[in-house]
Amino acid sequence: ILNVEQSPQSLHVQEGDSTNFTCSFPSSNFYALHWYRWETAKSPEALFVMTLNGDEKKKGRISATLNTKEGYSYLYIKGSQPEDSATYLCASAKIIQGAQKLVFGQGTRLTINP
Amino acid sequence: DVKVTQSSRYLVKRTGEKVFLECVQDMDHENMFWYRQDPGLGLRLIYFSYDVKMKEKGDIPEGYSVSREKKERFSLILESASTNQTSMYLCASSLPGTTNEKLFFGSGTQLSVL
Repeated sequence: ILNVEQSPQSLHVQEGDSTNFTCSFPSSNFYALHWYRWETAKSPEALFVMTLNGDEKKKGRISATLNTKEGYSYLYIKGSQPEDSATYLCASAKIIQGAQKLVFGQGTRLTINP
Repeated sequence: DVKVTQSSRYLVKRTGEKVFLECVQDMDHENMFWYRQDPGLGLRLIYFSYDVKMKEKGDIPEGYSVSREKKERFSLILESASTNQTSMYLCASSLPGTTNEKLFFGSGTQLSVL
């Protein structure tokens, strides 16, 4: 089993502040790195799927970077808003029978204080 | 948008009961997955299926089986429910072979085994 680690496990941030958190994954046999946002009482939703070393993706105020050689990804949120409160999951993927099999980290629970 | 529907949001069962968790997706995805989420742990893969009648064990298949008789439906079966199977169960689907092969999740079933 791949070991995917996220830090910190939880984070409290003031509204308007920027924040970031980390996902570490084994760099061998890397295929893809996924980020999901999981709001309470809703389904997890995909934010980014990243495959290339040095890749950077952006969606509104949220962006992510990927370093496949050293096995880490950062997720950044600029100017945090209350609606950003959620658990952020990352997952490292490998291919089995043509399907991406994901191994998830334990998540970073983000709370934005108004 | 893809919709992944899980039949129950909350379920309470007794030890030893046979339990069926149903999942239906409406976008003709080949891949379907069952995960469980426990506090402090990441999403853990129980089983996945990459085609009708095909199944692969995930990381924690013990005590579970699955059925995929139709492309849109993937069932998780607890043959004899035990208290350690109390958990949040999430179903997901994906379309293989795309560069952005992200998972689409259902809203989850919180199962309590008494």
